[in-house]
Amino acid sequence: GESVGLHLPTLSVQEGDNSIINCAYSNSASDYFIWYKQESGKGPQFIIDIRSNMDKRQGQRVTVLLNKTVKHLSLQIAATQPGDSAVYFCAENGAGGIQGAQKLVFGQGTRLTINP
Amino acid sequence: DTGVSQDPRHKITKRGQNVTFRCDPISEHNRLYWYRQTLGQGPEFLTYFQNEAQLEKSRLLSDRFSAERPKGSFSTLEIQRTEQGDSAMYLCASSLGQGGNTEAFFGQGTRLTVV
Repeated sequence: GESVGLHLPTLSVQEGDNSIINCAYSNSASDYFIWYKQESGKGPQFIIDIRSNMDKRQGQRVTVLLNKTVKHLSLQIAATQPGDSAVYFCAENGAGGIQGAQKLVFGQGTRLTINP
Repeated sequence: DTGVSQDPRHKITKRGQNVTFRCDPISEHNRLYWYRQTLGQGPEFLTYFQNEAQLEKSRLLSDRFSAERPKGSFSTLEIQRTEQGDSAMYLCASSLGQGGNTEAFFGQGTRLTVV
């Protein structure tokens, strides 16, 4: 079945350093991927997305890389700040659903802690 | 419009009672989704509306669960005869559907505790 997994459940990074969060997905038919940030007691917050016709996309301090050959997704956060501490989820748009529908399949999440 | 709004934020109910949650999506968004999230896990898809039509339901959505979006704006999720296993965060999201994938914005969620 569909599954999205994360390599590491926790990650600690020194403030100011760069962080990389990895994600593996299993559905080769997935064509849309999103990274979400979730702080305690809050809903997931959209960070960045990428479509399968791209292999890299950059935002403000964040970069998402997509390797379709090995079905791997990563989120790079540059110059981390204390406010980056949160749980980060990768998600894929489950195949077989209505086109464009956000029937997202989420991974378990990685807890990122920024150490001062 | 400040985003997706969910009400209530917290709900404690006794096992066997019915509960109803409300979601107000971003006003121009025609797509609305319900997800459920248990502690330490990622959200799981429950159901999806395009305008007022419920187009997809997960097998996670048992017969005790029903969702509506009568006028294509706000939505309600009702759980009948609640069980302790229903305890979770119920998240609503909305997106503007224009044929392709577009980002979904989540609300703050309703945390349900069944005692």
